[in-house]
Amino acid sequence: DTAVSQTPKYLVTQMGNDKSIKCEQNLGHDTMYWYKQDSKKFLKIMFSYNNKELIINETVPNRFSPKSPDKAHLNLHINSLELGDSAVYFCASSPDRYEQYFGPGTRLTVT
Amino acid sequence: GIQVEQSPPDLILQEGANSTLRCNFSDSVNNLQWFHQNPWGQLINLFYIPSGTKQNGRLSATTVATERYSLLYISSSQTTDSGVYFCAVELKRIYNQGGKLIFGQGTELSVKP
Repeated sequence: DTAVSQTPKYLVTQMGNDKSIKCEQNLGHDTMYWYKQDSKKFLKIMFSYNNKELIINETVPNRFSPKSPDKAHLNLHINSLELGDSAVYFCASSPDRYEQYFGPGTRLTVT
Repeated sequence: GIQVEQSPPDLILQEGANSTLRCNFSDSVNNLQWFHQNPWGQLINLFYIPSGTKQNGRLSATTVATERYSLLYISSSQTTDSGVYFCAVELKRIYNQGGKLIFGQGTELSVKP
C-alpha cells in the first residue's frame, strides 16, 4: 500500500544522456511536487503540479521538464545530463497544498 | 537572505538522553512540517504544525507562529532516532505559489548506544 512511489530508486548514467524518473501516488492528492537534494543534503523545490497544471516552476535549467499525464502521476525528464545533476530527486504529493508526503527518492549519479 | 534556520547543525546524544531542535523562520507561515530523514534516505513526516503543540510518542513539537520559531523535542532518544531532522515552511508572503516548501539546512542527530 505504497503511498508515493518513484522509479527507479537508483539511476547511473553518462553525461549527455537523457533520462526519466517516474512518480506515482495512490493517495488521491491533487498536488504533486519534485524536489532536489544536493550532496550537502539541502532540499529545494523544482516543480509543482496541481491537477495536471504546472503551478510552481523554480529556476531550473530547461533541460528539466516535468510531465503530468494525470493527477496521480508526475514524471521528470532530464535532457543532456550533466555532472552537476547528480543528486537525490524526491517526489511529493499533498491533498490540499499543505501537508506534503514524500516518496523514497531517486539517487541519480551522472558519470 | 536565509529564510529558515535550524539549530544546532549537529548533535550527538547518548541513548536515553533528551534533546530540543529549533527552527527559526523569517516570515509568517501557512505551513510548517518537521521531517526525519533516516540513514536510508527516506523522508518521514513527523509533524504538520503551523501553530500550537502536538505529541506523538516520544516526539513532540511546538510552533509559536507569532515569534516565528518551532521546536522539536525528542525524549528518551534511541539509536533509531539517528538521521537528519528537517524543518520546512511555506511562507505566507508567497502563499499563491502552491505549497512551496522551503527547507532548513537540517540538524544531523547521532544517537550512540
